Amino acid sequence: DSGVTQTPKHLITATGQRVTLRCSPRSGDLSVYWYQQSLDQGLQFLIHYYNGEERAKGNILERFSAQQFPDLHSELNLSSLELGDSALYFCASSVDATGSTYEQYFGPGTRLTVT
Amino acid sequence: SQQGEEDPQALSIQEGENATMNCSYKTSINNLQWYRQNSGRGLVHLILIRSNEREKHSGRLRVTLDTSKKSSSLLITASRAADTASYFCAASSTQGGSEKLVFGKGMKLTVNP
Repeated sequence: DSGVTQTPKHLITATGQRVTLRCSPRSGDLSVYWYQQSLDQGLQFLIHYYNGEERAKGNILERFSAQQFPDLHSELNLSSLELGDSALYFCASSVDATGSTYEQYFGPGTRLTVT
Repeated sequence: SQQGEEDPQALSIQEGENATMNCSYKTSINNLQWYRQNSGRGLVHLILIRSNEREKHSGRLRVTLDTSKKSSSLLITASRAADTASYFCAASSTQGGSEKLVFGKGMKLTVNP
């Protein structure tokens, strides 16, 4: 158990809909990262938040947005969903502000299926 | 774009044998990390080697880093069936003014009992 929790575990929704994925980092970690894992694209970095502020953006679509709240949990919002958004979405956390100086601890993931 | 690329993409060995996985990356790195993923689960951090280090050990794991060749290797000695998983290298680099961890596509290791 990494100490990172993600909800829900599974999500099935229709095209055009909007969903929110939630992540709680390990106790003491201020950084939260979101990744998307699909069979064809591998593990893609989406976005990094540190202590409530956006630190880095990766291959995140404009239809996706994220935020980190004062209690450090984070939410990833996916809107106008398309079939190609079906994937595993992982949240990870770490102690550092920079983004990659130290190891990241991954949650169990949310499997999103868009039908 | 993928920073790290594992080779081979799949490897099948017998229990007790050693498994070697290679990773190549494209740009200068701050560190290189290896992760393991069991099917459909979250990634688990295995080992981190900094750009000024050449070799690092952790239990049955040995990682080497050759920054001149932009490559790293992960050796798992005396493999066990429980080592069956996908293994990812992740290159830490500064891109566009921010640090990012960029993962390879992964390598599937099967250890047969």
